[in-house]
Amino acid sequence: SAVISQKPSRDICQRGTSLTIQCQVDSQVTMMFWYRQQPGQSLTLIATANQGSEATYESGFVIDKFPISRPNLTFSTLTVSNMSPEDSSIYLCSVQTGNYYGYTFGSGTRLTVV
Amino acid sequence: QKEVEQNSGPLSVPEGAIASLNCTYSDRGSQSFFWYRQYSGKSPELIMFIYSNGDKEDGRFTAQLNKASQYVSLLIRDSQPSDSATYLCAVNIDDMRFGAGTRLTVKP
Repeated sequence: SAVISQKPSRDICQRGTSLTIQCQVDSQVTMMFWYRQQPGQSLTLIATANQGSEATYESGFVIDKFPISRPNLTFSTLTVSNMSPEDSSIYLCSVQTGNYYGYTFGSGTRLTVV
Repeated sequence: QKEVEQNSGPLSVPEGAIASLNCTYSDRGSQSFFWYRQYSGKSPELIMFIYSNGDKEDGRFTAQLNKASQYVSLLIRDSQPSDSATYLCAVNIDDMRFGAGTRLTVKP
């Protein structure tokens, strides 16, 4: 399966600022997925990123708040903009690999907004 | 109605026992079903997937699928303390949708 390098692993940010999270995959993949996992909760899909097209956002998530870039088939970034304490969460990127359509996840970014 | 529902637990079993984790899903068109294990502070890792009705075994793990009842389960035999984690049920519709997870503790 694919190996995903995600960074930063954690950050503490001031409210009103922005943070960009990067994910690098060791193989070419068509789609990359960005999830959020709030403390003690399960994963919520933020958006799906295809190379060469606009990301598709889930209900409750908007591009102005979570802009995504997908410049090539191995890389994507998610920006959390104008942060508030409610954005404190773990953010995970993932890709679908293998014949079984399972997902592989990056190691996650633990974001704390103060 | 949530797309994927799990009993959040916590579920506690003694070492060596069978742990049974359950999951239901709402979309009858779902075709593929997954179990992920997530240790505290780590990202989820895929441990089982199943597509067809019936049982699928992999070592100490058995996944069971009943599409008529829209029910998926995971059995862990001979549970070990290292199995203590949160287990996430997921259904791949157009993308992966996760349940809330069941926290399992295996006591020595």
